[in-house]
Amino acid sequence: GAGVSQTPSNKVTEKGKYVELRCDPISGHTALYWYRQSLGQGPEFLIYFQGTGAADDSGLPNDRFFAVRPEGSVSTLKIQRTERGDSAVYLCASSLTGQNTGELFFGEGSRLTVL
Amino acid sequence: QKEVEQNSGPLSVPEGAIASLNCTYSDRGSQSFFWYRQYSGKSPELIMFIYSNGDKEDGRFTAQLNKASQYVSLLIRDSQPSDSATYLCAAHSGAGNMLTFGGGTRLMVKP
Repeated sequence: GAGVSQTPSNKVTEKGKYVELRCDPISGHTALYWYRQSLGQGPEFLIYFQGTGAADDSGLPNDRFFAVRPEGSVSTLKIQRTERGDSAVYLCASSLTGQNTGELFFGEGSRLTVL
Repeated sequence: QKEVEQNSGPLSVPEGAIASLNCTYSDRGSQSFFWYRQYSGKSPELIMFIYSNGDKEDGRFTAQLNKASQYVSLLIRDSQPSDSATYLCAAHSGAGNMLTFGGGTRLMVKP
């Protein structure tokens, strides 16, 4: 497809488990962003990749969260020892150059529920 | 801490009326601002952006920016029930297209 693809669309896990969320950006988009959105809230920035490197990871809440983008395309957000407070929709977005055009193309999100 | 603030609503307007959505931001260094629309259960999509003080019109939408007051607004003329959604205000806040989002205002347009 032409849009940002995220898998899984829904993930239910138990407290303490490890979770991986995958994002496949629009082809050719060099910039990739992860945001987290809790119910009734706006998206909260987590991490930004320009190419393969994390240009800014200041939004990652703690060291249980980690993200990679080894080949500059697909990215994986990894959450260790999940907690109930991690439950949210994790949104991935990409943009063409990483410059300030303002248009982020969002995927449909991965809804994570930690029981 | 950079913040973008919005009234959560819901803002209810009758069909055909003007909907006015407001947003304030704390970082005077922010230079550009964006309005995204998010339908329930869907991902945000960009409606408009504005960089300069004043008004910017695009069809039924007008964005307004006042940097001195750190205030951004979105006007929707001739509101339609299909405009019912959550409207997210965002400020450019760092490298690349990193945006800081407000909490969103839920708009309900009643037929």
